[in-house]
Amino acid sequence: DIVMTQSPDSLAVSLGERATINCRSSQGVLHRPNNKNYLAWYQQKPGQPPKLLIYWASTRESGVPDRFSGSGSGTDFTLTISSLQAEDVAVYYCQQYYNAIYSFGQGTKLEIK
Amino acid sequence: EVQLVESGGDLVQPGGSLRLSCAASGFAFSAYSLNWVRQAPGKGLEWISYIRGDSRATFYAGSVKGRFTVSRDNARNSLYLEMKSLRDEDTAVYYCAREASSGSFLGDWGQGTLVTVSS
Repeated sequence: DIVMTQSPDSLAVSLGERATINCRSSQGVLHRPNNKNYLAWYQQKPGQPPKLLIYWASTRESGVPDRFSGSGSGTDFTLTISSLQAEDVAVYYCQQYYNAIYSFGQGTKLEIK
Repeated sequence: EVQLVESGGDLVQPGGSLRLSCAASGFAFSAYSLNWVRQAPGKGLEWISYIRGDSRATFYAGSVKGRFTVSRDNARNSLYLEMKSLRDEDTAVYYCAREASSGSFLGDWGQGTLVTVSS
């Protein structure tokens, strides 16, 4: 099974500043025939279900603000929020869907400094 | 509008059984693969099960394999999770989630149903 590891576990960033969350997979999630990374990012606010932000490692879901971006390939990925807003306070999860047994990272809690 | 509504969560004793349901609307149900994802209180997300649109493929996390069974009724637009031999560590909010048509990422989620395993 693929193990997803996020860093850091928690992060405090000032409003308007950049927030960066990392995700590493225990094996590559790049599917070479289509050159796509099978990696998604989700945002979860308290009392709510997760919300899809990014898929294929870097494709923003419709309606997601462009301050959210995803990057990386193979085993190392990054979610970046370019200018933190108050409504971005949440827990963020990466998830691989490369093989039949999906898996999530442990989550990164993002707070305002 | 896509809607996924879970139900069936309850308090159950260790070793007991429970059946969760997820009622779907707003999309062509049989065309989409569905998943169950759970979240223990104060913890992260754990993927637990997948079922293809035609029910011909199912997959499980190791933590539930052999105890949980996923199924669906495409005529009733419903997804199910049969849970047996429940343990304390199965206590969680259980979400059903729909995969996107263009990939296996989880584009739509229900609000979840709480299962509590306790004596």
